[in-house]
Amino acid sequence: SQQGEEDPQALSIQEGENATMNCSYKTSINNLQWYRQNSGRGLVHLILIRSNEREKHSGRLRVTLDTSKKSSSLLITASRAADTASYFCATGYTGKLIFGQGTTLQVKP
Amino acid sequence: NAGVTQTPKFQVLKTGQSMTLQCAQDMNHEYMSWYRQDPGMGLRLIHYSVGAGITDQGEVPNGYNVSRSTTEDFPLRLLSAAPSQTSVYFCASSYSSSDTEAFFGQGTRLTVV
Repeated sequence: SQQGEEDPQALSIQEGENATMNCSYKTSINNLQWYRQNSGRGLVHLILIRSNEREKHSGRLRVTLDTSKKSSSLLITASRAADTASYFCATGYTGKLIFGQGTTLQVKP
Repeated sequence: NAGVTQTPKFQVLKTGQSMTLQCAQDMNHEYMSWYRQDPGMGLRLIHYSVGAGITDQGEVPNGYNVSRSTTEDFPLRLLSAAPSQTSVYFCASSYSSSDTEAFFGQGTRLTVV
């Protein structure tokens, strides 16, 4: 399976701190995406980074991709209580979008 | 815009019963897929479709059937429900394949007793 694996599985931080989540995958990819899931809801797309890109920003989000190490990281800066959610990486390859197990982030006010 | 609509939101089935989970999207997306989400397992791909009339298996296809007769609809059929199929099911659609943003429905929580 080319499923991504997130690390850590759970993360608890104080509001205002930065949160970093990592994703590793096994095979070649066309792109890597990050999604957020609030409790009991569907997933919401955050950012997509293509295999020929190394870094991408969107508001308080920064994503890096290292294809030589088959890994990506998601950084959320100046976290807020509203950022409390589960975060998933997903790898796109040959028409399939395969998800990792996710990181549960808790941001304490 | 409605986006991706899944029905029902909740369902309880008895072992051996069959049912169809409905998924419809109004964004004219070619690519649609079904996932199941279990605690600690993330989302696992069941089946996907790259366009009307074309479907393919994902990571965990056993026990499920799909068809894609129109661009808008992608129903998931459980032929003979088993307790192992107790899960939350998500339908997703995207403009093209896995290279663009996927939009998710709100999920169907299925319990098989």
